[in-house]
Amino acid sequence: GQQLNQSPQSMFIQEGEDVSMNCTSSSIFNTWLWYKQDPGEGPVLLIALYKAGELTSNGRLTAQFGITRKDSFLNISASIPSDVGIYFCAGQSGYALNFGKGTSLLVTP
Amino acid sequence: NAGVTQTPKFQVLKTGQSMTLQCAQDMNHEYMSWYRQDPGMGLRLIHYSVGAGITDQGEVPNGYNVSRSTTEDFPLRLLSAAPSQTSVYFCASRNSLGGYNSPLHFGNGTRLTVT
Repeated sequence: GQQLNQSPQSMFIQEGEDVSMNCTSSSIFNTWLWYKQDPGEGPVLLIALYKAGELTSNGRLTAQFGITRKDSFLNISASIPSDVGIYFCAGQSGYALNFGKGTSLLVTP
Repeated sequence: NAGVTQTPKFQVLKTGQSMTLQCAQDMNHEYMSWYRQDPGMGLRLIHYSVGAGITDQGEVPNGYNVSRSTTEDFPLRLLSAAPSQTSVYFCASRNSLGGYNSPLHFGNGTRLTVT
């Protein structure tokens, strides 16, 4: 599959801080998606981006589809303890959905 | 509102045993897929199906078989389990009618250990 480079691998922050993570690829994607996975559960979709340059918000989350269609970032503002989990980016081209290796987020009160 | 349902949630197998991981969705999604998740590896596609009677290989298909006799069900078979197949398996589906841009919906996973 096409390789997605997701960074950082992990983050350890204090409640109230903003968080930023990103994904890059050598391939072009038609869709970028961001998922969150809580322990013992499957990934849940946070934000879907369908157009190059698109900037989309979902509450405290903001994500952008890079102009080159090869990258995307996710920002979380004013983090809270329930933001803890693993965040995955995914790029979609045709039927295939390629995932990054995830960013593990820990938030301390 | 079940979504994607996977059974069992946990399974322990001995090397060489066979088993089937079940996946069912009630959203009338045409596309269904199986992923495995290993530490540090993210999610890797095993097999997928774009409709009943149609299946295709993903990134890591070896050691797994699938079939799609109905729209709702997409079982994953391990014919002879190996320790390398110890993993968490996720089934996911999406509506293809919206084109390639419809997002995936995941089940809660099956945690498989092969000893």
